[in-house]
Formats: sequence, C-alpha cells, structure tokens
Amino acid sequence: QVQLVESGGGVVQPGRSLRLSCAASGFMFSNYGMHWVRQAPGKGLEWVAVVWYEGTKKYYADSVKGRFTISRDNSKNTLYLQMNSLRAEDTAVFYCAKETSVLRAAGTFDAFDVWGLGTMVIVSS
Amino acid sequence: DIQMTQSPSTLSASVGDTVTITCRASQSISLWLAWYQQKSGKAPKLLIHKASILQSGVPSRFSGSGSGTEFTLTISSLQPDDFATYYCQQYNSWWTFGQGTKVEIK
Repeated sequence: QVQLVESGGGVVQPGRSLRLSCAASGFMFSNYGMHWVRQAPGKGLEWVAVVWYEGTKKYYADSVKGRFTISRDNSKNTLYLQMNSLRAEDTAVFYCAKETSVLRAAGTFDAFDVWGLGTMVIVSS
Repeated sequence: DIQMTQSPSTLSASVGDTVTITCRASQSISLWLAWYQQKSGKAPKLLIHKASILQSGVPSRFSGSGSGTEFTLTISSLQPDDFATYYCQQYNSWWTFGQGTKVEIK
C-alpha cells in the first residue's frame, strides 16, 4: 500500500544540524511532488518546503528559507530535509506528504493525499 | 501571501448533530481548497479537495462547498470517530493552512 515513513528526528542543540528522511513505497515516487509540513507542539500545520517531481524546483516557507534544504533521490524513493542553524522555534513534528496529482505542471499547486506518521524534532540546549 | 481563517476555533457537538466549519481566504483562491482531519497524535488525513471533491474512502457525511474566498465543511450526523481537529488548506498560490477547528464532544 502507499506509505511514507519519516526518520531522523531527535533532540539537537540550537545552531546545530539535522537531516530528516522520508522513505516512500507503494507508488511511483518519481511522478509526484513531495512536501514537508511541520506542527509545533499544540499548534497548527505549517507548510515548510516542496520539491517538484523531477527534483529541480524547490521552494520554501520564509521561516526556513536559507536554513533548510529539501531534496529527493528518485532512485531510492526517498525525500530529505537538511535542517541547519536550528532554532528553538523549529521544534515540531515534521511530516512528509505526497501530492495528489501525477506530474503536476509548473505554475499549478495541489493538495496532499498521503502523509507519513511524522518524526519529532526538539531543538533545546 | 494568502491567509486562511477558520471559524469557530472550537465547536462542541453531540453524536448525530450536523456541524459546519467555515474557512475564509484573504483573497480569491477559486476552488483550490482542501480539508483535512487530524486526530490527536496522528497525521492529517485528506477529506476533500478542490473545495467539494470527496477523497476516496471518506464517508459521504462529509461535504464541502464554496468558491472564491468562502468555504464550508459540513459533517452530517456526527459520528464518534469524527471528533477531531479539522484544517482547511489553500493551494491556489503555494500552500497555507487555516489555524484549525477542534470538534469536541458536548
């Protein structure tokens, strides 16, 4: 079945780095745009980053621009989020999510039909 | 940036009730709106996309309507499994979520 499994979360000191992974299975990973969405404790959902299906176009929320890098390896069916210069306000559950539409055209956007279970990132000294 | 505002923030209801959640966009988003359900400690689940299209496997008691800047999610005959937090999301221009509406047991 279609599945996303995140890993790589943990406790990290402010200013340090962490890399999250999201392993995909059950669908043609290379045909779908992929996202990271986060949720701070007790708060709502915040979109973080997107990478287009082919991997060349990447966009970020202003809150993480310049610090986080999204990437994908279509040969390994895996999505990544490299997080540098972490701050206390980055503490959250990070979810990876799959877009609904296959081979989404540039200039269009899409909802998310499959989500992983999430991985917790705690930034604390 | 497009802002999404949901109301109410919390809604108390009983099993069997019909409940309505409203989501307003700060500018027109046409029909590019999705609704998600999130239970405590779980990942969000897509219920509706393109304002009114029910995602496969979602019960028909869930329905969505609206266009432009105002949208509604209606749950008819609320079931025990429906007590959760609901989020709207615009995807007309990038992605923005509403702040969420918690549906709790009265």
